[in-house]
Amino acid sequence: EDQVTQSPEALRLQEGESSSLNCSYTVSGLRGLFWYRQDPGKGPEFLFTLYSAGEEKEKERLKATLTKKESFLHITAPKPEDSATYLCAVQSDAGKSTFGDGTTLTVKP
Amino acid sequence: DSGVTQTPKHLITATGQRVTLRCSPRSGDLSVYWYQQSLDQGLQFLIQYYNGEERAKGNILERFSAQQFPDLHSELNLSSLELGDSALYFCASSFSLLGGGPGELFFGEGSRLTVL
Repeated sequence: EDQVTQSPEALRLQEGESSSLNCSYTVSGLRGLFWYRQDPGKGPEFLFTLYSAGEEKEKERLKATLTKKESFLHITAPKPEDSATYLCAVQSDAGKSTFGDGTTLTVKP
Repeated sequence: DSGVTQTPKHLITATGQRVTLRCSPRSGDLSVYWYQQSLDQGLQFLIQYYNGEERAKGNILERFSAQQFPDLHSELNLSSLELGDSALYFCASSFSLLGGGPGELFFGEGSRLTVL
């Protein structure tokens, strides 16, 4: 069974304090790994897709990386508006998507 | 704005009742997915439709059913409601069977169901 584990569950940072979120996964044939951002009471918003180990994607203060067993979402010099829950999901070759429980990031000014 | 529309946004009902949640996918998207998100749980996959046909089932209860219509909108029917069914129900869409790009899902704003 495909599994996605995200850590930490919650992360509190000061504005400007860089850090990383982890997503460990097991999947029967990885078709893609996805990062989403979810604000309270809203639907998840797509951020990145990573397809193969060694791949990196960047968007503003966020950078996602992928290895064969995990992915990291690096947040550089975060701002309060980066506060949200970040979800990781994997899609198997069979097309099934499995989501992790997310990391809730709080950035204090 | 993801382009996925869900109605109603909020719904309060009593135990034992039946409700229908509606989803209009992004223009051109053929796949519709339903997810449940409770306070103490992450996103739980319920069911997927592709161009009107059921393609995958997740942890969907027998009291729940869904369908996708010829115009590609979808409805999730929840019956004999219990207190534990209170949750946010999200619809997501993607272009292809295997996902938008592949796998990229575009989520609606959700329907918040409260069962009293």
